[in-house]
Amino acid sequence: DAMVIQNPRYQVTQFGKPVTLSCSQTLNHNVMYWYQQKSSQAPKLLFHYYDKDFNNEADTPDNFQSRRPNTSFCFLDIRSPGLGDAAMYLCATSRDRASGPYNEQFFGPGTRLTVL
Amino acid sequence: GNSVTQMEGPVTLSEEAFLTINCTYTATGYPSLFWYVQYPGEGLQLLLKATKADDKGSNKGFEATYRKETTSFHLEKGSVQVSDSAVYFCALSEGDKIIFGKGTRLHILP
Repeated sequence: DAMVIQNPRYQVTQFGKPVTLSCSQTLNHNVMYWYQQKSSQAPKLLFHYYDKDFNNEADTPDNFQSRRPNTSFCFLDIRSPGLGDAAMYLCATSRDRASGPYNEQFFGPGTRLTVL
Repeated sequence: GNSVTQMEGPVTLSEEAFLTINCTYTATGYPSLFWYVQYPGEGLQLLLKATKADDKGSNKGFEATYRKETTSFHLEKGSVQVSDSAVYFCALSEGDKIIFGKGTRLHILP
């Protein structure tokens, strides 16, 4: 089945130790998104890629970076995690608007990040 | 800017009760509207969608109708089950992005 895969599902890191979360997709969608979701809150968009074009949200801290080496993979790098970065990180994909009116997003299961 | 407002939770119902979760939106133009569901410990899943006024989205017994005149997209289900316990997010499209409401937690008691 076509899907969005996130690895690992659970990640523990130490305060200040860089961490990378990965996302892959078999949907061949050209748009990929990273969200941060804290407990009992809506997902907060960090950035998204339109093909290789990177689009950062204005309030995303510099501590968060991303890479998209090809259509299938996208990575979230947290350079120096703080305690406040503990959250669920969700990856999502969609077709672009030119493909149709729906642009629904397909989400992965998420990676829960714990910062010690 | 565009925004979504949905009813505060948690909502607690008994099994087989009727469910309504209210959602209203503010938007320029004609966005697509969505309901996403998030089960504990999982990512979001699209529950249903509507792309234009008067469209009705439906899935798994849930329904919502795109009401342009009242800028609403209320979620309804005639008879809820324990397995419907989850967090429900109303959302609208804004370009390539989605604007989410704050979510409504639903508890169904057996």
